Amino acid sequence: QVQLVHSGTEVKKPGASVKVSCKASGYTFTMFYIHWVRQAPGQGLEWMGMINPSGGSTTYAQKFQGRVTMTRDTSTSTVYMELTSLRSEDTAVYYCARSTTSFDYWGQGTLVTVSS
Amino acid sequence: EIVLTQSPATLSLSPGERATLSCRASQSISSYLAWYQQKPGQAPRLLIYDASIRATGIPARFSGSGSGTDFTLTISSLEPEDFAIYYCQQRSDPITFGQGTRLEIK
Repeated sequence: QVQLVHSGTEVKKPGASVKVSCKASGYTFTMFYIHWVRQAPGQGLEWMGMINPSGGSTTYAQKFQGRVTMTRDTSTSTVYMELTSLRSEDTAVYYCARSTTSFDYWGQGTLVTVSS
Repeated sequence: EIVLTQSPATLSLSPGERATLSCRASQSISSYLAWYQQKPGQAPRLLIYDASIRATGIPARFSGSGSGTDFTLTISSLEPEDFAIYYCQQRSDPITFGQGTRLEIK
């Protein structure tokens, strides 16, 4: 069965960076794009960007350009999302999601807390 | 950027009643709209894609309709497990979500 499994909770100080992982299983890793979506506490869903696991090409939402980097490791079927220059507003649950015409499978999410 | 506006923000209904949720796009998105259900502490779950196609395992009481700018998610007869937050999403770059409709028990 398709699974996307996230790395664990992170607590970071303002100005630091965080790197979250999402390990895929149960399907051919290179056949589906992976997206990152975040959700601040009590708020809605916000798309951050996507990566093509086949060639590694990426597209980022303008809001995160220059601060986010998405990469993948095909040997372990894992995608990574690194966010730099963290501020308190980046406190959120970060989800990876597989896409076809929509997001058909989601990871359980990683809570990132940014606090001094 | 395409803005999706969901209405109402909150919908209060009783089990067994019919729920109608709306999503309006700021410009035409053809049928490229999906609906998700999210319960507290859980990731969103895909319900409907391409405006009207139920995802795998989704009960027949969920249906989607619309095209262009106006879309509707209908739950024909509410079950207790249906009370949650519902989001619509369009797939033109940049991908955007509606702000959500909270479906609560009356």
